[in-house]
Amino acid sequence: SQKIEQNSEALNIQEGKTATLTCNYTNYSPAYLQWYRQDPGRGPVFLLLIRENEKEKRKERLKVTFDTTLKQSLFHITASQPADSATYLCALAAYGGSQGNLIFGKGTKLSVKP
Amino acid sequence: NAGVTQTPKFRVLKTGQSMTLLCAQDMNHEYMYWYRQDPGMGLRLIHYSVGEGTTAKGEVPDGYNVSRLKKQNFLLGLESAAPSQTSVYFCASSRTGTGVGNTIYFGEGSWLTVV
Repeated sequence: SQKIEQNSEALNIQEGKTATLTCNYTNYSPAYLQWYRQDPGRGPVFLLLIRENEKEKRKERLKVTFDTTLKQSLFHITASQPADSATYLCALAAYGGSQGNLIFGKGTKLSVKP
Repeated sequence: NAGVTQTPKFRVLKTGQSMTLLCAQDMNHEYMYWYRQDPGMGLRLIHYSVGEGTTAKGEVPDGYNVSRLKKQNFLLGLESAAPSQTSVYFCASSRTGTGVGNTIYFGEGSWLTVV
């Protein structure tokens, strides 16, 4: 069955460091991969989308990579700040799949300490 | 611009009671979704709709019904609530299907407890 895993449930880092979150998938050929941020008590908010033919995407301090050979995406936050503390979700949509079939990982809770 | 609005935000139900969660979006999106989020399980799709008058089952549809009578509204019904339906429910919408790279916009969530 299709599976998407975010390796760490929680990640603690010091302010100013780079946070790296991992998303792995199996039995899947995603056309797109998306990253969302979720704050406590709130709905997820879209951050970045990367296509299968793109190796890397950047937005301000955020960078996403997509390696279809390794079946992995890495999400980086550079110069992290306490305000970056949140849960980050990766999500995949496949070619030819159900139009409603955006599958989410369970998320990684990032804590950035001052 | 309100985006996706869900009501109610909190509700406590007794086992066997029924209720409806309401979702409204003002972005003229074709697609709407209902997810539930449980600790350790992540977001799971309950039902979705690809347009007014249409509905389809997601990953965990049992015990729920939905209706999309108007393009901007998507209703989630629990006919006979069970404790296993205690969860946080998120409504979401997207311009068209996520399979073509569209992102989805979530509401703020509805916390439902069934006792």
